Amino acid sequence: DTAVSQTPKYLVTQMGNDKSIKCEQNLGHDTMYWYKQDSKKFLKIMFSYNNKELIINETVPNRFSPKSPDKAHLNLHINSLELGDSAVYFCASSQGRRPGHEQYFGPGTRLTVT
Amino acid sequence: TQLLEQSPQFLSIQEGENLTVYCNSSSVFSSLQWYRQEPGEGPVLLVTVVTGGEVKKLKRLTFQFGDARKDSSLHITAAQPGDTGLYLCAGAPGNQFYFGTGTSLTVIP
Repeated sequence: DTAVSQTPKYLVTQMGNDKSIKCEQNLGHDTMYWYKQDSKKFLKIMFSYNNKELIINETVPNRFSPKSPDKAHLNLHINSLELGDSAVYFCASSQGRRPGHEQYFGPGTRLTVT
Repeated sequence: TQLLEQSPQFLSIQEGENLTVYCNSSSVFSSLQWYRQEPGEGPVLLVTVVTGGEVKKLKRLTFQFGDARKDSSLHITAAQPGDTGLYLCAGAPGNQFYFGTGTSLTVIP
């Protein structure tokens, strides 16, 4: 049974479109994250939610909007997609909001903007 | 310059060889973690080091946390093809969590 799942696995879309990536965790964790991994494999945190409350909001364009309907779900909506948004996006979860807790990652969503 | 710099960036070795990966920072960390990421997958936690000077072993992998808690190393003995992947150190000097720049390891059979 998958611990952290993301859909879709691959997403190819054109510039200017709006798209969403969904994430679900069945680990009972109270903190969820979105990361972006660029073409050089650098992994950078974008958002962190604890019990549906936003606790980290890194400097990302406001075209990116996370939504957490409940503790087990954290979705990422992206408006007006740009070429530079092409990357792999990872969802993760952990128990506890303090940085340094073990994080469990999903398989990633490869977004390609053409 | 990133907060956590790893070296080397790429490493390609023959099966059976030993290797060391370094993770360096100018900041002090309360703990550092090492993750491994295989192609098409998310990172998976290998170990967390907490005390300065601490050494942890995980089968053929040996992790060390620097005395000043600013750096860490990962040593692999007798590398196997299954060790191939992207190795990432990670930690939080404050309230923010950062990943290192990554070391991509390829072990050739």
